[in-house]
Amino acid sequence: NAGVTQTPKFQVLKTGQSMTLQCAQDMNHEYMSWYRQDPGMGLRLIHYSVGAGITDQGEVPNGYNVSRSTTEDFPLRLLSAAPSQTSVYFCASRKTGQGEKLFFGSGTQLSVL
Amino acid sequence: EDKVVQSPLSLVVHEGDTVTLNCSYEVTNFRSLLWYKQEKKAPTFLFMLTSSGIEKKSGRLSSILDKKELFSILNITATQTGDSAVYLCAVPMTTDSWGKLQFGAGTQVVVTP
Repeated sequence: NAGVTQTPKFQVLKTGQSMTLQCAQDMNHEYMSWYRQDPGMGLRLIHYSVGAGITDQGEVPNGYNVSRSTTEDFPLRLLSAAPSQTSVYFCASRKTGQGEKLFFGSGTQLSVL
Repeated sequence: EDKVVQSPLSLVVHEGDTVTLNCSYEVTNFRSLLWYKQEKKAPTFLFMLTSSGIEKKSGRLSSILDKKELFSILNITATQTGDSAVYLCAVPMTTDSWGKLQFGAGTQVVVTP
C-alpha cells in the first residue's frame, strides 16, 4: 500500500517557469489537499478537493491551480513561478466521514530562483 | 477567525527529560484537535482528541484536551534522541463542513544525548 505519493521530491525553477507537482493516493480517499510549509508559519492550505470534479481554494491559493479528474490524482500547477513560492509542498488526503485525520505525502522541496 | 497557537516555538532538552508542549485554539464549533510529529519529511499522525479530560497514550507520549480552557497538552516522558522533531497541532476550521485542518506553527524539540 503506497499511501500518498508525491513527485518530484526536489525541483529548482527559474522565475516565470511553469510546472506541475504530482500527487496520487491509492486509499480511495475522497478528500485531497495541498499545503505549503514555510519556516515559522506551519502548514498553510493552498487548495483542496472533496471528490473528482470538485475543487476549492484554501488559505493561500494565489499563483496555483488544481484539478481533480480522478479520485486518485490531485496535481498542483504553478503557472508562472515566483521566488515567493519557494517552499516545501505537501499533499494530504483522508477518507470523508472518518474524522479529520490526514495522511501526508513525503513532500516536494521547491526553489524558485 | 479560527486560530491555533503553539508554545514554546522551540526547546532543547537532555535525554531522559520530560517535555510538555502546548496548543491553544480558538474555533467557533470545536470538533477535534490533532497532533502530528514531523521529522525530516511528512507529518505523521499521533493523536486525535475530541473529548475533554480523556488522556490518550501511546508509549511515552500522551495528550489531553481541555475544552473549557481551549487548549491541549502533549507530553513526552523519558525523552530519546529519536523524539527530536517538530510537533504540530491542528484543528478543523469551522467555516465549512469539510473540516479543513488549520495548523499551528509547530514546536521544534531537540533532544541531546
